[in-house]
Amino acid sequence: GEDVEQSLFLSVREGDSSVINCTYTDSSSTYLYWYKQEPGAGLQLLTYIFSNMDMKQDQRLTVLLNKKDKHLSLRIADTQTGDSAIYFCAEGGGSISGGSYIPTFGRGTSLIVHP
Amino acid sequence: DAGVIQSPRHEVTEMGQEVTLRCKPISGHDYLFWYRQTMMRGLELLIYFNNNVPIDDSGMPEDRFSAKMPNASFSTLKIQPSEPRDSAVYFCASSLAEGRGMTFGPGTRLLVL
Repeated sequence: GEDVEQSLFLSVREGDSSVINCTYTDSSSTYLYWYKQEPGAGLQLLTYIFSNMDMKQDQRLTVLLNKKDKHLSLRIADTQTGDSAIYFCAEGGGSISGGSYIPTFGRGTSLIVHP
Repeated sequence: DAGVIQSPRHEVTEMGQEVTLRCKPISGHDYLFWYRQTMMRGLELLIYFNNNVPIDDSGMPEDRFSAKMPNASFSTLKIQPSEPRDSAVYFCASSLAEGRGMTFGPGTRLLVL
């Protein structure tokens, strides 16, 4: 079946880069997502990448995809205390007519940013 | 757009009572999802709708749970009777087609005593 694995915690110092890693099992995934959940709030879509891409950059965020190893990472440059949150990796087929359209979520990685 | 709207934001009830959670998706979104989040089990998909039709309810834990979507702008998740193990945060989310990602509501924090 489908499975998405993430480490549960990551602690970094303010100003450093954070790298959150994720592995998935469904090789047919068309889309891979990163969501952010702040305390007391719902999940917020941060970014997504198509499976035919290796990298996507959006300001301080860089997503790297290694499709061969089924490994996805999210790099946050110049991490700030406001980046402290839970980050969820998710993978999905993206096709309504076929495949597993509904994303499968990991358990989330709690990012703790300390001064 | 106001985003996905959920009500109530918090609900405290006693075991055996009926609980109704409400959701208004983003206008134009074809898909609506109900999720449950707990520390122990993480994020679980309960049910999802496409164009108001339930597509997959295999995640609904028991017959005590039911969900409806009478029109494109409203959905309910009902628990009757509620039990303490139903205590969780319940999220509603909606999305357009083509897997461009979901927009989540703020959640309803349910505590069943």
